[in-house]
Amino acid sequence: AQKITQTQPGMFVQEKEAVTLDCTYDTSDPSYGLFWYKQPSSGEMIFLIYQGSYDQQNATEGRYSLNFQKARKSANLVISASQLGDSAMYFCAMRVRGGSEKLVFGKGTKLTVNP
Amino acid sequence: DSGVTQTPKHLITATGQRVTLRCSPRSGDLSVYWYQQSLDQGLQFLIQYYNGEERAKGNILERFSAQQFPDLHSELNLSSLELGDSALYFCASSVELSRTDTQYFGPGTRLTVL
Repeated sequence: AQKITQTQPGMFVQEKEAVTLDCTYDTSDPSYGLFWYKQPSSGEMIFLIYQGSYDQQNATEGRYSLNFQKARKSANLVISASQLGDSAMYFCAMRVRGGSEKLVFGKGTKLTVNP
Repeated sequence: DSGVTQTPKHLITATGQRVTLRCSPRSGDLSVYWYQQSLDQGLQFLIQYYNGEERAKGNILERFSAQQFPDLHSELNLSSLELGDSALYFCASSVELSRTDTQYFGPGTRLTVL
């Protein structure tokens, strides 16, 4: 069975600083995808970034990058130059290819950006 | 805006009642997924439809059912509602066979059962 663990219930960061949100995963399947979503207080789920298990390079999307360490089964999200609008819940999720199409989510990390 | 629409945005009803949540996927997406987000269970996959047919089932109660119509919109029916069914219900859609199969989420329907 697949499992996602996010060990940081809450994180604080100063505006303009970088922050790393941790995510570890567990699967025995060799082919999988890892996703990060942002959920602001308004409730919607916003896709941020994707990393495939066979991707050779770490994914980047603007200020978001994914620190993918396959041997450690970790997929940490790095947000550079934090902004006040980055304050939100962040969820790590995994999808195993060839199996059920579902996303398995972690419990999330609440990020607060301080001015 | 993800391109996925959900209606209604809020729904308040009483125990024992039945409600229908509606979802329209992004243009071109054939897969629709339903998720439930509650404080105690977190985000849980309920069910997936692909081009009108049920594809995968998760932790969906027997009181809940869903379908996907020929125009690809989907409905989630919740019946004999209980207080514990109060949650945020998300619909997501994706393009099959893309490199990432990213699921894009709608804004959600917040269900309150009183």
